Amino acid sequence: AQTVTQSQPEMSVQEAETVTLSCTYDTSESDYYLFWYKQPPSRQMILVIRQEAYKQQNATENRFSVNFQKAAKSFSLKISDSQLGDAAMYFCAYRSEIQGAQKLVFGQGTRLTINP
Amino acid sequence: AAGVIQSPRHLIKEKRETATLKCYPIPRHDTVYWYQQGPGQDPQFLISFYEKMQSDKGSIPDRFSAQQFSDYHSELNMSSLELGDSALYFCASSRPGQGITEAFFGQGTRLTVV
Repeated sequence: AQTVTQSQPEMSVQEAETVTLSCTYDTSESDYYLFWYKQPPSRQMILVIRQEAYKQQNATENRFSVNFQKAAKSFSLKISDSQLGDAAMYFCAYRSEIQGAQKLVFGQGTRLTINP
Repeated sequence: AAGVIQSPRHLIKEKRETATLKCYPIPRHDTVYWYQQGPGQDPQFLISFYEKMQSDKGSIPDRFSAQQFSDYHSELNMSSLELGDSALYFCASSRPGQGITEAFFGQGTRLTVV
């Protein structure tokens, strides 16, 4: 079974600085998707960034970028120029697909605090 | 733009009662996913539906049942509620052919069992 591990329960960063959140996963599949979701205090899950495994280029969305290391099964999220609105729980997720049925497997989450 | 609508947003029930959570997907989305997120926990997959048929089942207790209706909305029925059922219940939906890769989440229903 696929597993997703986030080893940092909490992280903090000064406003305007850069922070990296770590994620590792385990799978036997060769093609898959990885995601980072943000869950602010409103509790809604918001997609931050998505990476397809067969694409070697790291995904980037404005201030958010990933470092995808397929061989190491590592998928870290870098947030540049941190803003107060970035404070949230961040979940790393893996798309599992069995016999055509898809679901997301989430990591334990990292709580990110932005210090003004 | 229309989003995934969940109702109610908050629900308080007593032990052993029954609760029904509703999910209205984005128009023209045919797949619905249900997740349960306990306090301080990561979301856990419960069940999914595609074109009104159950497509996958996760760690959903036998006390829970769900279905997707002809208008694609879905309902999660929870009976004999226990204190441990207190959680945030998410619904997500996706378009035909897109799967969970392109899914959008609702704001969740917070269920409190007292």
